[in-house]
Amino acid sequence: DAKTTQPPSMDCAEGRAANLPCNHSTISGNEYVYWYRQIHSQGPQYIIHGLKNNETNEMASLIITEDRKSSTLILPHATLRDTAVYYCIVRVDHYNQGGKLIFGQGTELSVKP
Amino acid sequence: KAGVTQTPRYLIKTRGQQVTLSCSPISGHRSVSWYQQTPGQGLQFLFEYFSETQRNKGNFPGRFSGRQFSNSRSEMNVSTLELGDSALYLCASSLGQGRFFDYGYTFGSGTRLTVV
Repeated sequence: DAKTTQPPSMDCAEGRAANLPCNHSTISGNEYVYWYRQIHSQGPQYIIHGLKNNETNEMASLIITEDRKSSTLILPHATLRDTAVYYCIVRVDHYNQGGKLIFGQGTELSVKP
Repeated sequence: KAGVTQTPRYLIKTRGQQVTLSCSPISGHRSVSWYQQTPGQGLQFLFEYFSETQRNKGNFPGRFSGRQFSNSRSEMNVSTLELGDSALYLCASSLGQGRFFDYGYTFGSGTRLTVV
């Protein structure tokens, strides 16, 4: 079962910041949070990931609450090309047995002119 | 550097047949994971291979199998195809190990399998 809960859809005005929330209240201490997006059934595109600290890269920022039960992906200046399904994912790891990404249903973000 | 390559991109098979899909990971990556995406179930983990060994497995029937070669390329096989196996099959490449498990996954474009 998915370990994350996301709103099914969101709208954002072009040029504004898009803030996508994610709830992962059952996350364990060593489980990472990943964000991916998928456009038109292409392969998911990596955006960012983190464990407990806030992270930023050229695409987005990831804000993780102190208790790690939720996080927010921030796209600082959304463009029409950011319209996609955004997945918040918890990676479940087993020592020396690798990890697997547990996908939820994602948020369909529509960026409007 | 080259990305993750999946072949073929599209495939049409008949019920009862078998199919083999291929995934070439990013150079230097030793882990390949496979996922199935359908409209009803979303993205689901199939299995992961690391250094030619299956390290992790999802909840799929034994008709779904895979292997990994010494150059890290991986294949997955589905035998006795059913209509419900129609899906986008994605593979993800990663280092598979790292300090505090801190590594990312790069997905390929997928193979679209249609079973008729």
